[in-house]
Amino acid sequence: GESVGLHLPTLSVQEGDNSIINCAYSNSASDYFIWYKQESGKGPQFIIDIRSNMDKRQGQRVTVLLNKTVKHLSLQIAATQPGDSAVYFCAENRMDTGRRALTFGSGTRLQVQP
Amino acid sequence: DTGVSQNPRHKITKRGQNVTFRCDPISEHNRLYWYRQTLGQGPEFLTYFQNEAQLEKSRLLSDRFSAERPKGSFSTLEIQRTEQGDSAMYLCASSLLDSNEKLFFGSGTQLSVL
Repeated sequence: GESVGLHLPTLSVQEGDNSIINCAYSNSASDYFIWYKQESGKGPQFIIDIRSNMDKRQGQRVTVLLNKTVKHLSLQIAATQPGDSAVYFCAENRMDTGRRALTFGSGTRLQVQP
Repeated sequence: DTGVSQNPRHKITKRGQNVTFRCDPISEHNRLYWYRQTLGQGPEFLTYFQNEAQLEKSRLLSDRFSAERPKGSFSTLEIQRTEQGDSAMYLCASSLLDSNEKLFFGSGTQLSVL
């Protein structure tokens, strides 16, 4: 089937450590991926995106890695801060169906311990 | 505030009543999306518009759900004869036409059906 999923539902890290959130997808036709952060009571907030013709993209304190061979996506957050505590979603866009809307996974909760 | 605006933030209704939510997208964005999110899950795509045209509505959950964007600006989502299972967060998002579907979300309308 087609799915976007996550390996770990909850990730707890110490403040200052690096965080890695993983995501698996099963559809090789997916050509665009986004990571979103969602804080309680708010809508998802864009973090970083990557197209399938890339394997790495960096932003401010965040890096997304894409491994198309194993259909795996990860989000790395450097020097994790308490403000990073939230639920993180990966989302994919599949162009083969002609439907131009993101499909989201079920999310990983990141808890940053002071 | 130039982000996506949704009203109301919260709606409590009795089963069987009709409800309508409004979304004002970012002004220059051509595309507008509706998603539904239940607790612990990622957003689930419902429908989207390109300007005033509704290009995808097969994911609307039932014929009780309908959406409009009459002038290509704001949009409304209506749920008729609400059921307790309709209780969820309803999210609106918008994007530019050629943005690779980088969606910008509003804070959502939390619906509770009693």
